[in-house]
Amino acid sequence: KAGVTQTPRYLIKTRGQQVTLSCSPISGHRSVSWYQQTPGQGLQFLFEYFSETQRNKGNFPGRFSGRQFSNSRSEMNVSTLELGDSALYLCASSLEGIPGYGYTFGSGTRLTVV
Amino acid sequence: GENVEQHPSTLSVQEGDSAVIKCTYSDSASNYFPWYKQELGKRPQLIIDIRSNVGEKKDQRIAVTLNKTAKHFSLHITETQPEDSAVYFCAASTGQAGTALIFGKGTTLSVSS
Repeated sequence: KAGVTQTPRYLIKTRGQQVTLSCSPISGHRSVSWYQQTPGQGLQFLFEYFSETQRNKGNFPGRFSGRQFSNSRSEMNVSTLELGDSALYLCASSLEGIPGYGYTFGSGTRLTVV
Repeated sequence: GENVEQHPSTLSVQEGDSAVIKCTYSDSASNYFPWYKQELGKRPQLIIDIRSNVGEKKDQRIAVTLNKTAKHFSLHITETQPEDSAVYFCAASTGQAGTALIFGKGTTLSVSS
């Protein structure tokens, strides 16, 4: 069974640009959550999508957005990049969107903003 | 807002010793408490979890205890080995529907042989 796949693995962008990250969940999983990981703040919840609908949102500015497709693949977009957006972005998928049931993380996308 | 405090931030032990990491949560609606291990450059991996209707859970050398009244839970690792060296994160579910987790800031565990 394939795990959670995130692409790309590494990304370097310039301040002011925008970026789109992709997450393909485990087959059959309908929930995808996104987290930002930085050395100073740790893992912070961005948002969760379940059956193509955003169900939860963390405390991030509107520059951070996401969506989910009918095949459960999810994308997150960050517009007008700032230096502070440099981080490891992790997604996690679960079967029915209930914590503890197959909540698996991907390997992440390392975003560097210069 | 919802918050999870984790202590200590770093922990150094000798191989064979026990290690204990403690977390406190603020949201009384939290009912699911997982622990993740993250090795350098790798994804967080679930090592054990506990639900609010259980006070203790054990899996070989790893155990987790939960005190709902005091809103704290702890990870216990016995007979530590060098391969246990990693960053450990505790987390708590939020009271909202869905899978959002609030994470502690992490504990860097170093096990020396």
